[in-house]
Amino acid sequence: KNQVEQSPQSLIILEGKNCTLQCNYTVSPFSNLRWYKQDTGRGPVSLTIMTFSENTKSNGRYTATLDADTKQSSLHITASQLSDSASYICVVSARSGNTPLVFGKGTRLSVIA
Amino acid sequence: GAGVSQSPRYKVAKRGQDVALRCDPISGHVSLFWYQQALGQGPEFLTYFQNEAQLDKSGLPSDRFFAERPEGSVSTLKIQRTQQEDSAVYLCASSLAGLGETQYFGPGTRLLVL
Repeated sequence: KNQVEQSPQSLIILEGKNCTLQCNYTVSPFSNLRWYKQDTGRGPVSLTIMTFSENTKSNGRYTATLDADTKQSSLHITASQLSDSASYICVVSARSGNTPLVFGKGTRLSVIA
Repeated sequence: GAGVSQSPRYKVAKRGQDVALRCDPISGHVSLFWYQQALGQGPEFLTYFQNEAQLDKSGLPSDRFFAERPEGSVSTLKIQRTQQEDSAVYLCASSLAGLGETQYFGPGTRLLVL
């Protein structure tokens, strides 16, 4: 069964600190992996997208890594800001044309002053 | 418009009522998706349109759920005889082409069934 597991479920960090969120998936055949940020009461917004051949991609203070062999991805947030408080959702797409995206449950990040 | 819009933003319904949720995708986007997001969970796929064609409705939880996109633009998700377990946020997303493209999400409609 195609699944995406994320950890931790929730995380609280001090402003300015770094953190890393994890994503493990069993989706096959793999096409791409996205990290979305979802603010409370808003829809998810895409942060990064990674294909099979990419193992790292950055978007400002966000850096995503992908290990297609172990089927793991991480999202590293550097120098966290209060506005980073949100849910971060890992989403995996299968290569077959008609398979919908598989969403993880998300990691709830709270950045406190 | 600048992004995906959904209406209403909030809906309270009595159990047994029918509801209709609207999604206006980004202009020119071919694909449109509906998701259900329970509190503290990630979105769960409901159904997917390419233009006016509903290509996948495998995620619809029961025959009380019905979606349409008659002119390939605006879409409506209808829930008949609502139940308490239907309470969730219903997210709509659109993409320029197919499943492999980045999906742009609307703000969602929060449905509460009493």
